[in-house]
Amino acid sequence: ETGVTQTPRHLVMGMTNKKSLKCEQHLGHNAMYWYKQSAKKPLELMFVYNFKEQTENNSVPSRFSPECPNSSHLFLHLHTLQPEDSALYLCASSQEGREVTGELFFGEGSRLTVL
Amino acid sequence: GESVGLHLPTLSVQEGDNSIINCAYSNSASDYFIWYKQESGKGPQFIIDIRSNMDKRQGQRVTVLLNKTVKHLSLQIAATQPGDSAVYFCAENIDEAAGNKLTFGGGTRVLVKP
Repeated sequence: ETGVTQTPRHLVMGMTNKKSLKCEQHLGHNAMYWYKQSAKKPLELMFVYNFKEQTENNSVPSRFSPECPNSSHLFLHLHTLQPEDSALYLCASSQEGREVTGELFFGEGSRLTVL
Repeated sequence: GESVGLHLPTLSVQEGDNSIINCAYSNSASDYFIWYKQESGKGPQFIIDIRSNMDKRQGQRVTVLLNKTVKHLSLQIAATQPGDSAVYFCAENIDEAAGNKLTFGGGTRVLVKP
């Protein structure tokens, strides 16, 4: 069992649907991330939450809405997506302290297909 | 977690041989570099890191080399094993003071032949 759990593993949705991706980390970390991995681009950072506060929004369209209710849970709410949003969405966590370690712990991802 | 569809450079290596995976970065201000491994169906996994004040760092069967003059990073895997088959990504942290915000490269697929 990984320390970062993502659900669902696979999701197919229409462009008018509303769905959410869920991430839970069991590592006691204080930072959580959403990354997008698509066929056309390298891993792209979307959002960063540090101590539940959003510290980064990497120019992500508003049809993606993150939510971090506590330091263990992270959601990505999806609404009126486009087919080009089809990708693997990866959640990660890390322990941020005085020194950055670069060690992100990734979940196995949620494979999203937008029809 | 597989990078299906990406036209990744592929390194085919015989089991037991050494592997060398290369990565070029563009930002001379980057001060921290990391290598990740992504096996099929899984998320990326941290392998080893190196800071810009070093040019070499060794781990278990892996060595990372950093050449800041030509902005080049490499990962060497000794005695490559079938379990090393995966996609390998280099990542850089451009501004460590801004926290853990990594920029990933496109990846290299390593195929280990028995």
